Amino acid sequence: GEDVEQSLFLSVREGDSSVINCTYTDSSSTYLYWYKQEPGAGLQLLTYIFSNMDMKQDQRLTVLLNKKDKHLSLRIADTQTGDSAIYFCAERDQAGTALIFGKGTTLSVSS
Amino acid sequence: NAGVTQTPKFQVLKTGQSMTLQCAQDMNHNSMYWYRQDPGMGLRLIYYSASEGTTDKGEVPNGYNVSRLNKREFSLRLESAAPSQTSVYFCASSAGTSNTEAFFGQGTRLTVV
Repeated sequence: GEDVEQSLFLSVREGDSSVINCTYTDSSSTYLYWYKQEPGAGLQLLTYIFSNMDMKQDQRLTVLLNKKDKHLSLRIADTQTGDSAIYFCAERDQAGTALIFGKGTTLSVSS
Repeated sequence: NAGVTQTPKFQVLKTGQSMTLQCAQDMNHNSMYWYRQDPGMGLRLIYYSASEGTTDKGEVPNGYNVSRLNKREFSLRLESAAPSQTSVYFCASSAGTSNTEAFFGQGTRLTVV
């Protein structure tokens, strides 16, 4: 079945760049997503990328997609303490009906 | 701007008790989902409803039932709660099932003792 893998923790200093990595298994995924979860809250969509793109930039966020290696990354430039959260990578399942999530990467930003 | 509303926010049940988690969305979305979130496990799909009148099992459906009451509402029922069902439950909705954004509720924190 589909599987999405992420590293569990990342710790950075304020002002540095953060890079969160993800690998997925379903090569037929048309869209790949990054969600953010702040403590005690639900998930919010940060950004997504269409599978025919290699890169997408949205203000401080850069998403890179390597379709050959099934590798997705999220780069946050100038990381702030408010970026501390859990970040989830997600793909659509093979039927295209639901999102399959990774276990989430906890980003800790220290000042 | 309610979006996806879940009730209750917190619940403690005794083993064997039953309860229904309620979810409603006001975005006229066709598709709705129930996920559970456990530490170190990420989010796992319990059930989903691609459109009004249909429901399908997800990755972890055992011990749960769902009802898509109308286009707005999708409820999750635990018939006989077990400690293994202690989790945070999230409802989500999306306009369709293909590639559209999913919007999440704030979650229900359920403890089964």
